[in-house]
Amino acid sequence: KAGVTQTPRYLIKTRGQQVTLSCSPISGHRSVSWYQQTPGQGLQFLFEYFSETQRNKGNFPGRFSGRQFSNSRSEMNVSTLELGDSALYLCASSRGTAVYEQYFGPGTRLTVT
Amino acid sequence: GENVEQHPSTLSVQEGDSAVIKCTYSDSASNYFPWYKQELGKRPQLIIDIRSNVGEKKDQRIAVTLNKTAKHFSLHITETQPEDSAVYFCAASRTGGTSYGKLTFGQGTILTVHP
Repeated sequence: KAGVTQTPRYLIKTRGQQVTLSCSPISGHRSVSWYQQTPGQGLQFLFEYFSETQRNKGNFPGRFSGRQFSNSRSEMNVSTLELGDSALYLCASSRGTAVYEQYFGPGTRLTVT
Repeated sequence: GENVEQHPSTLSVQEGDSAVIKCTYSDSASNYFPWYKQELGKRPQLIIDIRSNVGEKKDQRIAVTLNKTAKHFSLHITETQPEDSAVYFCAASRTGGTSYGKLTFGQGTILTVHP
């Protein structure tokens, strides 16, 4: 079974721009969670989607948004990028009936200059 | 909300020794506790998890123990090998309700196993 995939793997953007990241979950998994990983803050939860609905959201500003499609693929968008948004963005998929067993993708490394 | 504290932040051992990493959590309703291993430049990999109805779980050289009363859980690695060197993260979650899909992570432990 193929693992979680994320595209692109690396991105360099300028302050003020926006960016869209994509995540394809493991086949059969309906839940996708997004996390931001930085050296200072560690792994922080952004939001979770299940069956195209956002079920949970972390403490991030409204510039961070997401969506999920009918095939369970998910995207996250960050508008008006700030230098502090530079991070590794990870998505994780699970079956979705509970939070059990989340499997992570390789992440997208975003650098904001 | 949930808060997870992880100790130590760095751990250095000799090959063949045991390593123990400890985490405490604040939310008494948390009932799922996974551990992830992240090698440099790679994705976090789920290595073992435990649910609150179990006190201990083993998988070959890895074991996790849970003390619900004290709200702490630990990862034990026996007979460590150089390939065990990585950053280890603990996490906690309550299933369902307003906690869908959310794992709260500890700050990580950098484990170095010296040959």
